[in-house]
Amino acid sequence: EAGVTQFPSHSVIEKGQTVTLRCDPISGHDNLYWYRRVMGKEIKFLLHFVKESKQDESGMPNNRFLAERTGGTYSTLKVQPAELEDSGVYFCASSQVSTGELFFGEGSRLTVL
Amino acid sequence: AQSVAQPEDQVNVAEGNPLTVKCTYSVSGNPYLFWYVQYPNRGLQFLLKYITGDNLVKGSYGFEAEFNKSQTSFHLKKPSALVSDSALYFCAVSDFGTGGFKTIFGAGTRLFVKA
Repeated sequence: EAGVTQFPSHSVIEKGQTVTLRCDPISGHDNLYWYRRVMGKEIKFLLHFVKESKQDESGMPNNRFLAERTGGTYSTLKVQPAELEDSGVYFCASSQVSTGELFFGEGSRLTVL
Repeated sequence: AQSVAQPEDQVNVAEGNPLTVKCTYSVSGNPYLFWYVQYPNRGLQFLLKYITGDNLVKGSYGFEAEFNKSQTSFHLKKPSALVSDSALYFCAVSDFGTGGFKTIFGAGTRLFVKA
């Protein structure tokens, strides 16, 4: 069974540019989550999808971040325009039930110069 | 509001010795508690969880954790550390809020096991 996959693994962009991160969850997992870890701090919750619906987006930093999950399969997280403080590792995770364990991808490291 | 604290940035232990990685939490209701491990250049992997029942839960790779409700703690333990246990460990708590169940994580504790 394929795990959670994320693309790209590493992205380096300049301030003001746009980046789109992609996450393919484990097949059949309705719950999909985005998290971000910045410079050794806690892994911060961004948002939670149940199928194609946003269940909770309370952790999204501002309107420069846009997450979608069309069709309830893969998800994208777009940052536009990127700022220096957006640098970090963006993790995607999926789960069968919201109370269960999360299965994580390897993360997408974003560096904004 | 939910919160998770891992008071130690790093824990150093000699191989063969017991290890403890500390975690305390704050939630409004009954918590679901988790430990995850991250090896270099990998995603987080689930180790164990507590939902209800016996306060001592056993997980992968010989790890266990003890739930202490009065101290709101969920410390990770292993009787005999291995060099291969060296990794980054994250404590997490899930709680039910206005947006449904949400899992939040601590800042992580780096475990270094010396041969």
